[in-house]
Amino acid sequence: SYELTQPPSVSVSPGQTARITCSGDALPKQYAYWYQQKPGQAPVLVIYKDSERPSGIPERFSGSSSGTTVTLTISGVQAEDEADYYCQSADSSGTSRVFGGGTKLTVL
Amino acid sequence: QVQLVQSGAEVKKPGASVKVSCKASGYTFTSYGISWVRQAPGQGLEWMGWISAYNGNTNYAQKLQGRVTMTTDTSTSTAYMELRSLRSDDTAVYYCARVGEGLAHWGQGTLVTVSS
Repeated sequence: SYELTQPPSVSVSPGQTARITCSGDALPKQYAYWYQQKPGQAPVLVIYKDSERPSGIPERFSGSSSGTTVTLTISGVQAEDEADYYCQSADSSGTSRVFGGGTKLTVL
Repeated sequence: QVQLVQSGAEVKKPGASVKVSCKASGYTFTSYGISWVRQAPGQGLEWMGWISAYNGNTNYAQKLQGRVTMTTDTSTSTAYMELRSLRSDDTAVYYCARVGEGLAHWGQGTLVTVSS
């Protein structure tokens, strides 16, 4: 079955830039989506279609794509950004969706 | 505003079935699909499948094929997810989410506990 690979954890100091990667063979063909999840809460969509930001999401969140890797970038990280982040995409046929394993962002 | 309100927590014995509901409001129900996503305790998100609220077409995750059924009732703008032959590793929070440009609207989650 298709898999998306994320690093388990990323740590940054406040004000620095955090980059979270997600790798998958079908990413050149399929859009990626990014979700933020804080403990005890439902996920929140922060990036859709690789690099689009939903209304209400701060400008410090951005997304990019290059080949089989997509990247979520958080510029000027704030303490409130500490959360789990998940990428999501589809397999090459577009029929099956999958989430990455998640990355825990720690703000030092 | 878009709202998805799910049914309450459930405790089931192994081998039983559970049916979780997701009542939508604030938009035209048949214009969007509903995805179901679950999260086991301390684990990541798992996509279970989705259903078109327009025509009832479904697409299930391969590992759940044969055990899961997703349906909708357009008269009440409610989506349902039934999971059968429950096992202990089905213990999780189950979420519904509206399918659009990503999953921008989520229900509050329903905890399903499978225990003898």
